[in-house]
Amino acid sequence: ILNVEQSPQSLHVQEGDSTNFTCSFPSSNFYALHWYRWETAKSPEALFVMTLNGDEKKKGRISATLNTKEGYSYLYIKGSQPEDSATYLCALDLTDSWGKLQFGAGTQVVVTP
Amino acid sequence: DAGVIQSPRHEVTEMGQEVTLRCKPISGHNSLFWYRQTMMRGLELLIYFNNNVPIDDSGMPEDRFSAKMPNASFSTLKIQPSEPRDSAVYFCASSFGDRGAQFETQYFGPGTRLLVL
Repeated sequence: ILNVEQSPQSLHVQEGDSTNFTCSFPSSNFYALHWYRWETAKSPEALFVMTLNGDEKKKGRISATLNTKEGYSYLYIKGSQPEDSATYLCALDLTDSWGKLQFGAGTQVVVTP
Repeated sequence: DAGVIQSPRHEVTEMGQEVTLRCKPISGHNSLFWYRQTMMRGLELLIYFNNNVPIDDSGMPEDRFSAKMPNASFSTLKIQPSEPRDSAVYFCASSFGDRGAQFETQYFGPGTRLLVL
């Protein structure tokens, strides 16, 4: 089992502020990195999948970058809104798997008005 | 497509009873995953199938847990006998499961919330 580490475990953001958090992973056997958004009492929803070093993806106010050589990805939320409150999971897809994802523990984001 | 369908959405049972959770993956998806979410351990992969064949069941906690996928459109996760520590939310997810497809995004069902008394 490879360690996918996310930090911080949780963070509180004031509405309107921007924030970012990290997913770290061992860079060997890397195939793709996924970000999921998981709202309380719902199921995880896919945000991004990234495969190439230097990849950047954007969806509205949320964006992500990937550095496969050093084994990390950042997720950014610009101008946080209360509806951004969720747990953000990153997951590693390895070359020797059949689509099995190794999930991190998540970063819980709470945006307060 | 309706997405991944799970039933029941909620289940309350007594210790020692058999519990069967059901999942219908997205049509055309070849991989199916069963996860368990608990406060202590987060999201754990229990077992996954590719083309109806179990690929990795190393996450199944013990022999009381079993899973089957008799065809491409249906899977079950069974707990017999159930115990209070099995109380959790159980998610089913599916993906294309084809390395010819570039991405292996997993699509999650709504989950089954299980409470064992």
